[in-house]
Amino acid sequence: GNSVTQMEGPVTLSEEAFLTINCTYTATGYPSLFWYVQYPGEGLQLLLKATKADDKGSNKGFEATYRKETTSFHLEKGSVQVSDSAVYFCALSQYSGSARQLTFGSGTQLTVLP
Amino acid sequence: KAGVTQTPRYLIKTRGQQVTLSCSPISGHRSVSWYQQTPGQGLQFLFEYFSETQRNKGNFPGRFSGRQFSNSRSEMNVSTLELGDSALYLCASSGGTSGSSETQYFGPGTRLLVL
Repeated sequence: GNSVTQMEGPVTLSEEAFLTINCTYTATGYPSLFWYVQYPGEGLQLLLKATKADDKGSNKGFEATYRKETTSFHLEKGSVQVSDSAVYFCALSQYSGSARQLTFGSGTQLTVLP
Repeated sequence: KAGVTQTPRYLIKTRGQQVTLSCSPISGHRSVSWYQQTPGQGLQFLFEYFSETQRNKGNFPGRFSGRQFSNSRSEMNVSTLELGDSALYLCASSGGTSGSSETQYFGPGTRLLVL
């Protein structure tokens, strides 16, 4: 079946540091890939997505590139801010039966210190 | 456009009781999915509804059920609550014809505590 493996957390960085959160996936066919972010006490917010190989998703300074050859979708940001502190989830979407279904990684807690 | 709304936001129940959670999707979205989030198991898919029909179901016992109404609003029900059902229950909606859009938009969740 489908699976998503994320870098273990927690990750603690200083403000303005470079961020990488690794994500690899296992799936048959060609899934769509997503990063969601969850702030304390809230639901999931879509951060970015990519729907085919070599697509780059980007939003709010975050980027991730769909790499089919390495089955990866690593999240990067050049300069993190305290407000980026949250839990980040990598996910893939693929048809299961007649409907698309999201499969999530375990989440990576990011804390950014001032 | 208003986002996905879920009610109630917080709920406390005791073992053996049952609970009903509600979800209103983004206007125009006809697909609604439900997920359970716990510290131990992470995010797990419960089921998905489109046009009042359940199209997909995750690996949960029959105590977990759901339905969708003609206005696309959805409810999920958990009967005979167990301590392990304590979790954040998230609803997500997606649009497109046949609900085929791959992007799901999530609500704020309902936090259920079972005592």
